[in-house]
Amino acid sequence: SQQGEEDPQALSIQEGENATMNCSYKTSINNLQWYRQNSGRGLVHLILIRSNEREKHSGRLRVTLDTSKKSSSLLITASRAADTASYFCATDAGAGRRALTFGSGTRLQVQP
Amino acid sequence: NAGVTQTPKFRVLKTGQSMTLLCAQDMNHEYMYWYRQDPGMGLRLIHYSVGEGTTAKGEVPDGYNVSRLKKQNFLLGLESAAPSQTSVYFCASSYLPADTEAFFGQGTRLTVV
Repeated sequence: SQQGEEDPQALSIQEGENATMNCSYKTSINNLQWYRQNSGRGLVHLILIRSNEREKHSGRLRVTLDTSKKSSSLLITASRAADTASYFCATDAGAGRRALTFGSGTRLQVQP
Repeated sequence: NAGVTQTPKFRVLKTGQSMTLLCAQDMNHEYMYWYRQDPGMGLRLIHYSVGEGTTAKGEVPDGYNVSRLKKQNFLLGLESAAPSQTSVYFCASSYLPADTEAFFGQGTRLTVV
């Protein structure tokens, strides 16, 4: 079973717009991570937020975490065509906290 | 700056054939993982290793075996391939277990016919 579920499954926006993706998870966590996957490539780490943090920024990325609702969101501001990719949240709930458990991902299409 | 390298990148197998996927990392990471990615299902953990000489089962281990004889290498074996094992396989490594970023290889696209 998957710990994280992303919403929406697919998102299409215009360049310059903001993109928001949401992730819900089931069990308690110590941290939550977001990864990006370009088509046909491996996953690349974007940002990690710990359970005692509520918000974190990295460049055009903003991640929030609400442990009471077991949810996180990833906001990409001023999107670019190069942001077109799939985005996955991952929690540390796998294999007795020895592995990441991934959601099913959000496919983002940024139209130039 | 190789990071995590997977070989091969593509492979087509006939049902019943065997093969080994190789993962190599040059970051001196203790933790290594094998995931499979199927459409619409995200990544699922097959097996993992917390150090040289150790392996453990993940979420979907049936039909696969692994070995970690050297710290830098993590091998995934399919003894008798089945069409249900058609997938994209990713290897990953990390310094700490699920508490730091994981580094992924480029993937192996396996088709079993």
